[in-house]
This record gives sequence, C-alpha cells and structure tokens, in this order.
Amino acid sequence: KQEVTQIPAALSVPEGENLVLNCSFTDSAIYNLQWFRQDPGKGLTSLLLIQSSQREQTSGRLNASLDKSSGRSTLYIAASQPGDSATYLCAVSTGANSKLTFGKGITLSVRP
Amino acid sequence: SQTIHQWPATLVQPVGSPLSLECTVEGTSNPNLYWYRQAAGRGLQLLFYSIGIDQISSEVPQNLSASRPQDRQFILSSKKLLLSDSGFYLCAWSVHPTGEQYFGPGTRLTVT
Repeated sequence: KQEVTQIPAALSVPEGENLVLNCSFTDSAIYNLQWFRQDPGKGLTSLLLIQSSQREQTSGRLNASLDKSSGRSTLYIAASQPGDSATYLCAVSTGANSKLTFGKGITLSVRP
Repeated sequence: SQTIHQWPATLVQPVGSPLSLECTVEGTSNPNLYWYRQAAGRGLQLLFYSIGIDQISSEVPQNLSASRPQDRQFILSSKKLLLSDSGFYLCAWSVHPTGEQYFGPGTRLTVT
C-alpha cells in the first residue's frame, strides 16, 4: 500500500527566504507525482505535475524534483513571499486511472 | 477552458438525514472523476472514482455512494448521515494521458 509522508507538518520562515518542502513515498512504481497548494477553506490548486519519466518541473518561482528510486520529491520555492502562505500537499498516482495518494501536507507561513 | 463546479458550498445536516452533493465539469469530455474527503487531521482520502458513465469504483467501505448519470456529472449521496460523515468533500477530474488532477472548490459538510 502506497504511503506518502510530508515532514515537518508546519514551517514558518521570513519573507525572501528560499525553502525546500520534502515529500517521500514508499512504493517507487508511480505513474506521476503532483504538488498542490490549498488555502484555508478552499479546494486544491495544482502547482506542478511530474511524470514518472521526468526528473523535474519548473513554474515561475517553483521547482519540483523527483527521485523515484529513493522515493523522494522536493518542492523548491525561491524568494518566498507572504502570499505563498498556504498548505502544500504532495500526491502520487500509481496508474493511468490517476488515483492519488496524498500526504498530510505542510502548512507554510511566510512572515513579512 | 475547463471548469469544475460543486454545490452546495456549505451544508449543515442532522444525523440520519439524506445527502446529495453534486459536481459538474465543463470544457472536457470523458474525464475521470473523483470524490475525496478531507477530515481534520486525517488528510485527503479517495472515496470514489469513475472512468465513465455508470462506472463507479469505491475505495473505502462507508455510508456513502456515488453515481455518474452523465459524462460530466458526478453525485455523492447518502441515505442516512452519520456524525463521522462530517468533512470537506472535494470533487476532481483528470484526463489522459497526463493524469493531472484538477479540483473543485469543495463542499463543507457538518453533521449535527
């Protein structure tokens, strides 16, 4: 059974800092990995999708990497801003039907 | 562009009452559809997924059921709600071949 872990559960950083959010998964036979952002009381916004054949994806100040063999992914946020404050969730899919297994998320607070 | 709608946005229901939550997707055809529940401290849990009309798979035995009467409509139901059914219900869709999932705004259900 696939399990996804995100540690720590919460993180507080000053504005401008570069930061890395970690995600680990137990079964390396994944189809893809997605990073999402969730604001309080809202749905999930897809940030980045990495297919199993890819090593990284970039969007603006965000960069996600994938190391399937070690069961790890990282989300790098450059020059963090207060508007980046949210919960970041990592999820993996193990087939083309795209059923996702989620981590519990990392709640990020960026202090002005 | 594709959009996903969920209603109602919030719902307060007494124990033992019925439930019907609706999700519709616009701007795509033959999507995979998903229902997730997010409970406090427990992360996102996949409840049902559907690859086509009247094709529903249940992931977790529970008090809920799902139906897909039309290609882009997904309904979550219960005949008698339990207190443990409280949570934030999210609908999502994906298409081949990437399998990237997109989420709706969610329904906050409180069972009293």
